[in-house]
Amino acid sequence: EAQVTQNPRYLITVTGKKLTVTCSQNMNHEYMSWYRQDPGLGLRQIYYSMNVEVTDKGDVPEGYKVSRKEKRNFPLILESPSPNQTSLYFCASSPIRLAGVREQYFGPGTRLTVT
Amino acid sequence: GQQLNQSPQSMFIQEGEDVSMNCTSSSIFNTWLWYKQDPGEGPVLLIALYKAGELTSNGRLTAQFGITRKDSFLNISASIPSDVGIYFCAGQEETSGSRLTFGEGTQLTVNP
Repeated sequence: EAQVTQNPRYLITVTGKKLTVTCSQNMNHEYMSWYRQDPGLGLRQIYYSMNVEVTDKGDVPEGYKVSRKEKRNFPLILESPSPNQTSLYFCASSPIRLAGVREQYFGPGTRLTVT
Repeated sequence: GQQLNQSPQSMFIQEGEDVSMNCTSSSIFNTWLWYKQDPGEGPVLLIALYKAGELTSNGRLTAQFGITRKDSFLNISASIPSDVGIYFCAGQEETSGSRLTFGEGTQLTVNP
């Protein structure tokens, strides 16, 4: 089944304790992206990657890191989480067509709480 | 980044009724996408539109890419209880490369 998977689905942690949220897709998509979703603010892009070893900042990159060493994986790293990073996080992937990045497919989400 | 204007914010309807929601932008878009999100889940792609004027159906759902390329609408016909959820529009500006801009969503409630 074609899908985007994320782990963990739920995570409660404390301020300053480094964490990684994994994302993997089995559709051979070039493009991958991370979003956070907050009430009243909608979906905001954190980082994206057009291909292996190519990453770029989205709208809200502060406090996050990513890496793209393999095409299928795009982990999100929080080196020193803070309470304002409590949110619902989504990974997404998309094929890159001649006209560019088009439809994005989302993972099931990771609910992160930082105390 | 830019936000799309999506309306209405919420709708309460009876089962069997038709539903219409829309999104508008101040910029020209080359892609419009419609997603549905159930509580605690990720957005699921319903319909993708790539050309101005394009009208596409997916079962009881129909979406159109506006002629001006600054708007799109989604219709749901003969609604059923499982249509409940949040519907998001998303668009890609011509100049944005890969970036998607999202609407704030329409919360749909269907009363049996």
